Amino acid sequence: EAQVTQNPRYLITVTGKKLTVTCSQNMNHEYMSWYRQDPGLGLRQIYYSMNVEVTDKGDVPEGYKVSRKEKRNFPLILESPSPNQTSLYFCASRTGTMNTGELFFGEGSRLTVL
Amino acid sequence: GENVEQHPSTLSVQEGDSAVIKCTYSDSASNYFPWYKQELGKRPQLIIDIRSNVGEKKDQRIAVTLNKTAKHFSLHITETQPEDSAVYFCAVQMEYGNKLVFGAGTILRVKS
Repeated sequence: EAQVTQNPRYLITVTGKKLTVTCSQNMNHEYMSWYRQDPGLGLRQIYYSMNVEVTDKGDVPEGYKVSRKEKRNFPLILESPSPNQTSLYFCASRTGTMNTGELFFGEGSRLTVL
Repeated sequence: GENVEQHPSTLSVQEGDSAVIKCTYSDSASNYFPWYKQELGKRPQLIIDIRSNVGEKKDQRIAVTLNKTAKHFSLHITETQPEDSAVYFCAVQMEYGNKLVFGAGTILRVKS
């Protein structure tokens, strides 16, 4: 089954404790992206990647890092989480042959930073 | 950068009525305009999209219209049903680059 898988789905952590949210897709998609969803603000892009070893900042990259060492994986790293990073996070992927087309989202990861 | 405004933020309609959600954008070079539906507790999913060389697209009860001159596009849902209740997001893709910018979302409630 074609899917985007995120882990963990739920996480409560404390300020400053490094964490990684993993994202994996099995559709051989070139393009992958991370979004955060906050009430009244919609989905805001954090980072995206056009292909292996190619990453770029979205609209809200501060406090986050990403890497793309393999085509299927695109982890999101919070080196020193702060309470303002409490949010619902979505990973998404699509084929990269055009800059349009359906984005396939993971199920989301709800993060709470105390 | 691209700025996308979506209205209304909430919309309540009676079952069977129509619902219209509108988005405006700022970058005239934008060329792709999808709509995503997010049911409660679920992931966003694409329901319809339109490219800049088309003025209207329909898929059963949903349609999207695009006015490139005025830089706005709208989602139309006819004969609404309770299962249409969800959050709807518009999005805009710039012609160059790979950012897909989303609107803030519209909570649609269909009352039966």
